[in-house]
Amino acid sequence: EVQLVESGGGLVQPGGSLRLSCAASGFRFSDHWMSWVRQAPGKGLEWVANIKQSERYYVDSVKGRFTVSRDDARSSLYLQMSSLRVDDTALYYCARLNYTGYRYFDHWGHGTLVTVSS
Amino acid sequence: DIVMTQSPLSLPVTLGQPASISCRSSQSLVHSEGETFLSWYQQRPGQSPRRLIYKVSNRDSGVPDRFSGGGSGTDFTLKISRVEAEDVGVYYCMQGTLWWTFGQGTKVEIK
Repeated sequence: EVQLVESGGGLVQPGGSLRLSCAASGFRFSDHWMSWVRQAPGKGLEWVANIKQSERYYVDSVKGRFTVSRDDARSSLYLQMSSLRVDDTALYYCARLNYTGYRYFDHWGHGTLVTVSS
Repeated sequence: DIVMTQSPLSLPVTLGQPASISCRSSQSLVHSEGETFLSWYQQRPGQSPRRLIYKVSNRDSGVPDRFSGGGSGTDFTLKISRVEAEDVGVYYCMQGTLWWTFGQGTKVEIK
């Protein structure tokens, strides 16, 4: 069974930094694209970043501030967030991206909440 | 960027009756590979999104056959043939043809 478990969320001041983690199990992690998707309180879904090996892609609003990385040996995905803004407040989901031939998110974690506030 | 627009944003439905959600994209979702990467997700209250449909009309495993997807180009539809209580939640369309963007979501509730 595929499982994705996020951690690392919390309260941070504007301009601060935070590192999110996602522990994956139940599949061969290194074979898959992985993603972060966020959901502001009471709002819709927004794709944030993807990574597969050395390829990384970001939504424009986080470019230069967020860095996605992975450790295939640990089956873990990370999101280093810096220069955080109030509008980065959201529940951050780790998701597996079924990329080749499908291009959709086929498994999701339960999310970790990031609150940016002074 | 491709903008996804759903309608309606709120959909009260009587149990056992059909429901239909529209999703329109600001440009064609036909990829250079010839595929159309339009998918649908269900988010029940307090839960993570769950995949329902991929590539316009393909149901994921375990998804009841009362859910169906259709459309082409820029116009797509998710239909529920007979709404059940467990279908309450917010439904999102998403395009994966050019990066990934979601619609605003349609809240399905029971009348």
